Amino acid sequence: AQTVTQSQPEMSVQEAETVTLSCTYDTSESDYYLFWYKQPPSRQMILVIRQEAYKQQNATENRFSVNFQKAAKSFSLKISDSQLGDAAMYFCAYRSANFGNEKLTFGTGTRLTIIP
Amino acid sequence: DSGVTQTPKHLITATGQRVTLRCSPRSGDLSVYWYQQSLDQGLQFLIQYYNGEERAKGNILERFSAQQFPDLHSELNLSSLELGDSALYFCASSVGASGTNEQYFGPGTRLTVT
Repeated sequence: AQTVTQSQPEMSVQEAETVTLSCTYDTSESDYYLFWYKQPPSRQMILVIRQEAYKQQNATENRFSVNFQKAAKSFSLKISDSQLGDAAMYFCAYRSANFGNEKLTFGTGTRLTIIP
Repeated sequence: DSGVTQTPKHLITATGQRVTLRCSPRSGDLSVYWYQQSLDQGLQFLIQYYNGEERAKGNILERFSAQQFPDLHSELNLSSLELGDSALYFCASSVGASGTNEQYFGPGTRLTVT
């Protein structure tokens, strides 16, 4: 079974600065997908970014980028130019590419605070 | 707005009771997933339906059941409720059931069992 570990329960960053959230995972599969979801105080789960394991290039979405290290099974999220609206819980998630196993496996989350 | 709707938003009920949570997927999405978010268990996958058929089961209790109807909406039935069932229940949907299809989450139903 796959597991996802987020070792930072809480992080804080000054507004306009850069912060990196860590995520490691364990799997014996070679093909899979990784995601970062954001959960603001409204509790809505919002997809931030995704990475396909077969792609070497790191995904980028505006101020959000990832550092995907497949051999190390590491998938960190970098938020640049942090904004007050970035304050939320961030969850790292794994999804197998195998047919019939499309569920998301989540880490325990990192609570990000933005300091004005 | 993800396009996934869930009703009701909040539900308060007593132990031993039965409730039904409803989910309407995004237009065109065939797959529906149910997740439970609780303080002690985190976010856990419960069950998945694809085009009306059960496709995968996770940590779903025997007291819980789900189905997906011909119009693709889904219902999660929780019975003999216990205090520990209090949680936020999410529904998510995706276009298909494989590939890079992302799962889009609804706003959730907050269940409180007293």
